[in-house]
Amino acid sequence: SQQGEEDPQALSIQEGENATMNCSYKTSINNLQWYRQNSGRGLVHLILIRSNEREKHSGRLRVTLDTSKKSSSLLITASRAADTASYFCATQSGGSYIPTFGRGTSLIVHP
Amino acid sequence: DAGVIQSPRHEVTEMGQEVTLRCKPISGHNSLFWYRQTMMRGLELLIYFNNNVPIDDSGMPEDRFSAKMPNASFSTLKIQPSEPRDSAVYFCASSSRGSVAGNTIYFGEGSWLTVV
Repeated sequence: SQQGEEDPQALSIQEGENATMNCSYKTSINNLQWYRQNSGRGLVHLILIRSNEREKHSGRLRVTLDTSKKSSSLLITASRAADTASYFCATQSGGSYIPTFGRGTSLIVHP
Repeated sequence: DAGVIQSPRHEVTEMGQEVTLRCKPISGHNSLFWYRQTMMRGLELLIYFNNNVPIDDSGMPEDRFSAKMPNASFSTLKIQPSEPRDSAVYFCASSSRGSVAGNTIYFGEGSWLTVV
């Protein structure tokens, strides 16, 4: 069963614009991760944020976590056509070692 | 370093045939996962192994599916007999177990299965 649900399901923007994707989850988490999947490829880990953290940056990526709202957002600044991919959030809860993946947001960046 | 290696990348088979998917995890990783991805159901965890031992196979859809990990560097997922509804992308992934504080999963490129 999916814990995290991404929103929107699909996002289409122009190169240079910022892209924001959201993830909501139902139960308390230990950490939340974001992954990217290019068409026809496997998922690639982007960033992990722990439950006691509120914001993390990695290059053009900015992730926020609001545990009171049980939500996270992934911001990609100054998007590029190469950012076109599906983006998934994955949560780890309780004593589980296994991240649970959402359904993903499909991002298209038009050159 | 080589990532997770899966074979075959693509397979088309007829209903009723046996399908075997293969996976070589990243060297040194002691957890291995098999996932299935479809448009309808998203990414589903089928089974995971820790130190070559199956820990949770509750995601395996039915008895037609079986998975083995005879050693730390090899795993198979077998479907026998295959059905059209098994058509999906099957991912193998591995991790160094990590902890509840953070367990990063490394995915292979997937095996694209079509059952006709």
